[in-house]
Amino acid sequence: DVVLTQSPATLSVTPGERISLSCRASESVDTYLHWYQQKPNESPRLLIKYASQSISGIPSRFSGSGSGTDFTLSINGVELEDLSIYYCQQGNSLPYTFGAGTKLELK
Amino acid sequence: EVQLVESGGGLVQPGRSLKLSCAASGFTFSNYYMAWVRQAPKKGLEWVATISTSGSRTYYPDSVKGRFTISRDNAKSSLYLQMNSLKSEDTATYYCARHPFGVSDYWGQGVMVTVSS
Repeated sequence: DVVLTQSPATLSVTPGERISLSCRASESVDTYLHWYQQKPNESPRLLIKYASQSISGIPSRFSGSGSGTDFTLSINGVELEDLSIYYCQQGNSLPYTFGAGTKLELK
Repeated sequence: EVQLVESGGGLVQPGRSLKLSCAASGFTFSNYYMAWVRQAPKKGLEWVATISTSGSRTYYPDSVKGRFTISRDNAKSSLYLQMNSLKSEDTATYYCARHPFGVSDYWGQGVMVTVSS
């Protein structure tokens, strides 16, 4: 199974700053890497698909990059509403797997 | 507007069965792969099952293979998850998701399943 390692586990942020979250795969997943946001007591929401493709309705401050085993989710100008848990997921091979998540909290 | 509404959750004893349903609307259900994803309390996300558009192909992780069965009724725009031989570790919120090409692009609100005696 492909193991996805997300870092850091928790990130303390200040509104307005640019941040980057990492997702590293145990083997290549090409660009079949997707990012989700889960706010407290809500369902997950797709943020970025295929490593860097934007999703309709998602603010432009969210962007993704990477291929193979190393991926990054960036938020350019964090807002208070972005305080959530972010998960990566690989869709390259079965079983589909998720990372453990990165929690954004207020500094 | 895409809507996915799960139902059928609840408290069930270990070893018993439960069937979840998901009613889909706002898109052509028969054109999309669908999936179930679960989340144990205070834990991360775990993929549980995927089904092809016609229902002829299904996929599961080892953790549920042989115990869970995903199915669909395209005429009713509905997705199902039959869960047998339930264990305490199956306790989770179960989400129905539209799942084209391995991406869960829309999610339901989730339904809680608690396995306990």
